Amino acid sequence: QQQVKQSPQSLIVQKGGISIINCAYENTAFDYFPWYQQFPGKGPALLIAIRPDVSEKKEGRFTISFNKSAKQFSLHIMDSQPGDSATYFCAGWTSGSRLTFGEGTQLTVNP
Amino acid sequence: DVKVTQSSRYLVKRTGEKVFLECVQDMDHENMFWYRQDPGLGLRLIYFSYDVKMKEKGDIPEGYSVSREKKERFSLILESASTNQTSMYLCASSFGTGLSETQYFGPGTRLLVL
Repeated sequence: QQQVKQSPQSLIVQKGGISIINCAYENTAFDYFPWYQQFPGKGPALLIAIRPDVSEKKEGRFTISFNKSAKQFSLHIMDSQPGDSATYFCAGWTSGSRLTFGEGTQLTVNP
Repeated sequence: DVKVTQSSRYLVKRTGEKVFLECVQDMDHENMFWYRQDPGLGLRLIYFSYDVKMKEKGDIPEGYSVSREKKERFSLILESASTNQTSMYLCASSFGTGLSETQYFGPGTRLLVL
């Protein structure tokens, strides 16, 4: 049972465009929502995260939008760059340090 | 910087072999995790550990076991490897049980079971 559903599975964006990745969750016990970024040959690394008591968090070109009532959140990458090409995972965190990941989105930013 | 190392980047094993995957972290983290990563399925938690000699089952523990004899080292064991265990295996560690803790991942071990 996938408790965090992520879409799209792959995404191609032109340089300078906006990349949008969506996630929906089922488990209302999640109380922290991180996004991880993974480059080829590397392990995932924390990119940005949000708590459910705020609706938006922005760090540079990366923004998380969070809709608690809809149980959905999304990652927006503004002015996408070829260096942003990676696989992105959303996740939900529950007490006890457990992360439940989405299926992942492979982002390609064309020059 | 936190460093999580995994003993091998690539492994090729035969069906039925016993396989050991080793993970070491250098930041005195309490928690350690083993995930497998498969296309279209994301990262799925196999086992995790809160402390030395402690272990908890994750979402897909069948066919795996773990060992944590020292705080910095967490081993994943495939008692009798099968072809459906061909995958990328990722180890991670985190400091404690704080709300906003970050998991730090190793580079992964790509295992092929023939």
